[in-house]
This record gives sequence, C-alpha cells and structure tokens, in this order.
Amino acid sequence: QSALTQPASVSGSPGQSITISCTGTTSDLGGQDHVAWYQQHPGKAPKLMIYDVTNRPSGVSHRFSGSKSGNTASLTVSGLQAEDEADYYCTSYTSTSTWVFGGGTRLTVL
Amino acid sequence: QVQLQESGPGLVKPSGTLSLTCAVSGASISSNNWWTWVRQPPGKGLEWIGEMYHSGSPNSSPSLKSRVTISVDTSKNQFSLQLSSVTDADTAVYYCVKGGGWRFDPWGQGTLVIVSS
Repeated sequence: QSALTQPASVSGSPGQSITISCTGTTSDLGGQDHVAWYQQHPGKAPKLMIYDVTNRPSGVSHRFSGSKSGNTASLTVSGLQAEDEADYYCTSYTSTSTWVFGGGTRLTVL
Repeated sequence: QVQLQESGPGLVKPSGTLSLTCAVSGASISSNNWWTWVRQPPGKGLEWIGEMYHSGSPNSSPSLKSRVTISVDTSKNQFSLQLSSVTDADTAVYYCVKGGGWRFDPWGQGTLVIVSS
C-alpha cells in the first residue's frame, strides 16, 4: 500500500488559518471515515489531534478541525500560535484491515 | 491514565532479530483495544508496523508481514514486537501505541533501535 500524500510543508503567520491536505484512494481514505491526524513536536511522540475525520479528543484545542471530501482529508488550524509549529501526520484505515500514514507536513509559524 | 513504555536493545546486528517489549499500565492488555507498533526512521515519517488484539491473529503491514511477529502476554500486561532479518533500513524510533476506537492514543515515548555491526 502507498503512503497517503501530504504537502511537505505549509506556513502561516500568528493568528492566520492554514489547511493541510491528505490525499488517498478509494481503498483507504476515500472508502471510509476512519481518518486521524497526529501532531509531533521534535523529539516527542505523536499526539492525537483528530479522529474519525472530524472528532476532537478532550483536551485538544478547538482551533483544530478536520474534514473530508472524496479521497482528500484536511486538517485546519485556525488562529495560529507559535506552539502549533510541528509535524502533522494523517492516517487512514484501509480496505485490507491495515493502517497507512501520510508522509507528514511541517507546519512553520512565521 | 494509560501509559506505555517500550524496552529492548538499542543496537541490533544486521540479519539479526529486533525484539521490543511494551509494558502497559492503567489498562488491561485484555481490554477492548488493539496493541500497536509504529516506527519512524531518523528524519522521516511514521510507518505502521502492525497490531494485535489480546485474542486473535495480528494484522501487519504487507511490506513487513513476512518478518514481523507481534504477541501479547496477558500475565505481564505487556505486548511485544519481533522483526527478523533486519537491515540498515530498520533503524528507527519504535513506538508502542494503544489502538482501538479507530485511533492511536496514547503513544509510548519511543525507543531508538540502530541496526549496525
């Protein structure tokens, strides 16, 4: 199975909003709604930010939101803050009962 | 609060077998969860290795399936990963993770395994 496709990098200024895309196929992301997003700061373990496309775990800021259309899922971060600077990974369950990650996106807060 | 902690050798010789254990606290390994391994080569992205329910057959990545063994020890509340015939490409930080509910949460802190002679 191939990795999901994410942009290598995105950037934005404090207070702005950014969106990170994650593109798959009908065999994974496009075929079901078990899509999650993880935030990873340097040297740290990933942290769950969004699951099942739009659900936010307790404790995660309301500034993070998820959506999906067809074979592409998106993570939007609004009101950018310096602490949001990190790597972000999407993941999807697949039709063969496995999981696949995206290649990761580096978010830079200018 | 569920916590996971990886342990195992940090250095493995090429063609050898990588063996890691994940100790789980705050939850029973026999609960309704999928116990999962994910790895991250230095400077690269995350890769799902595989997962196992406390009872049943494990699932693993097609690219690693022939080399991966995941097992659960209910008596010690831990689960394990074995990866055989390792090469330089298997050098990575290995994370153990609690799956279930279609999400990976929480993650262990990760342990770096280097394949080198």
